Amino acid sequence: EAQVTQNPRYLITVTGKKLTVTCSQNMNHEYMSWYRQDPGLGLRQIYYSMNVEVTDKGDVPEGYKVSRKEKRNFPLILESPSPNQTSLYFCASSLSGLRNEQYFGPGTRLTVT
Amino acid sequence: GESVGLHLPTLSVQEGDNSIINCAYSNSASDYFIWYKQESGKGPQFIIDIRSNMDKRQGQRVTVLLNKTVKHLSLQIAATQPGDSAVYFCAEIGTSYDKVIFGPGTSLSVIP
Repeated sequence: EAQVTQNPRYLITVTGKKLTVTCSQNMNHEYMSWYRQDPGLGLRQIYYSMNVEVTDKGDVPEGYKVSRKEKRNFPLILESPSPNQTSLYFCASSLSGLRNEQYFGPGTRLTVT
Repeated sequence: GESVGLHLPTLSVQEGDNSIINCAYSNSASDYFIWYKQESGKGPQFIIDIRSNMDKRQGQRVTVLLNKTVKHLSLQIAATQPGDSAVYFCAEIGTSYDKVIFGPGTSLSVIP
C-alpha cells in the first residue's frame, strides 16, 4: 500500500530534550516536506526536500533541522524543543514537487512542557 | 481523533444537499490551487486542483471555481454525504516561488 508513515504518532517531552520524528514514504517520491498545523493558522511549511541531499527552508524553519540521506526517509529533528513547538506535525511527499499531488502522513502530536 | 483547529468557520448541510465552501487566497501571483479534505485524526487528502488558466474544473461530485479578479476559490460538493464531514482547506502556489500557502479551513458537518 502506497503510504507515508510517521513515528511516533504522539509524543510528550520536556523543554530542551532532543527528539526526532521519523517520516518514510514507499512511493519513490522525490519531494518530501514537513508541516506544522496550529489552531487558526492552517498548515505551515517547515522544511522541504526536492531530492536526496537537497533540503530548503519553508516558512517556519526556526528550531528545526532535517536531513535527506535516503530518498524514502525525511526525519525532522528538534535539537532543543520549546513549548512553542507544541503542535501537530505532518510529513508529506509527492512525485516531484508542490504541483504534484502531495500524500500526507497521519500526523504526530507533539507536546513540549 | 486529532483536533485540527479551533474557531474554524463551520458549514452545516443536510445530507443530499449541495455544499459550497469558499476560500480567499492571498497572492495574485499564485497560479496553482488545491483543495484538501482533512478528517478527524488523519492527514490532509488531495481532492482537486486547478491552474490559473482555468475558471472551473470538475471531478467526481466536486467542482472547483476560480475567480482571479477577486482572488476567490470555491469548492462545490454535490449530493453531500455523511462521509464528506471534515475540514476543507485550500492551498495556493505561486509562479515565482516554490512555496505553498494554506488557508485556515472550513469545517463541514453533514446532518443525516
